[in-house]
Amino acid sequence: GAGVSQSPRYKVAKRGQDVALRCDPISGHVSLFWYQQALGQGPEFLTYFQNEAQLDKSGLPSDRFFAERPEGSVSTLKIQRTQQEDSAVYLCASSFGNEQFFGPGTRLTVL
Amino acid sequence: AQSVTQPDIHITVSEGASLELRCNYSYGATPYLFWYVQSPGQGLQLLLKYFSGDTLVQGIKGFEAEFKRSQSSFNLRKPSVHWSDAAEYFCAVGSGNKLVFGAGTILRVKS
Repeated sequence: GAGVSQSPRYKVAKRGQDVALRCDPISGHVSLFWYQQALGQGPEFLTYFQNEAQLDKSGLPSDRFFAERPEGSVSTLKIQRTQQEDSAVYLCASSFGNEQFFGPGTRLTVL
Repeated sequence: AQSVTQPDIHITVSEGASLELRCNYSYGATPYLFWYVQSPGQGLQLLLKYFSGDTLVQGIKGFEAEFKRSQSSFNLRKPSVHWSDAAEYFCAVGSGNKLVFGAGTILRVKS
């Protein structure tokens, strides 16, 4: 497809479980971003990659959050030992320049 | 630090009426400014962007926005609202590295 895709679209986890969220960026886009959008809030920056290099991870809320992009294309956001406060929509975006294109998001619900 | 304020959480307008959504930002340099729209269960769609040049920018779906440096504002306008415009609108400021979003304004359209 031509856009950013994310999987799964919905994920329900029990508290304490590990989850992995996948992002497929637009082909050729060098930059990739992850954002967290809590209910009723705007998206908040988590981390940023340029190719395979993670250049900014200042927004990751704790060391339970880990992101990777090993070949400079697909990215995975991993959350270990999920907590209820991790419930949110996780948005991925890619860019080639200053305009970011967003995927549909993964809605994570932690019970 | 960069920040974005959208003072209106909800706005209701009649179909066919004009619309203005407010956005104020704080940024240390010349900002890149964006308006995104998000429908329920959907990702963010870019409506328009301002990088430089003409301070009145035109976007998709008949939207426009005006950058006013003296007021640190980037308000979104539409002369005649359609029922399909009902959604949540986010203003964002940033650079190529990350975007900072406002909390969003939910637009309701009444017939």
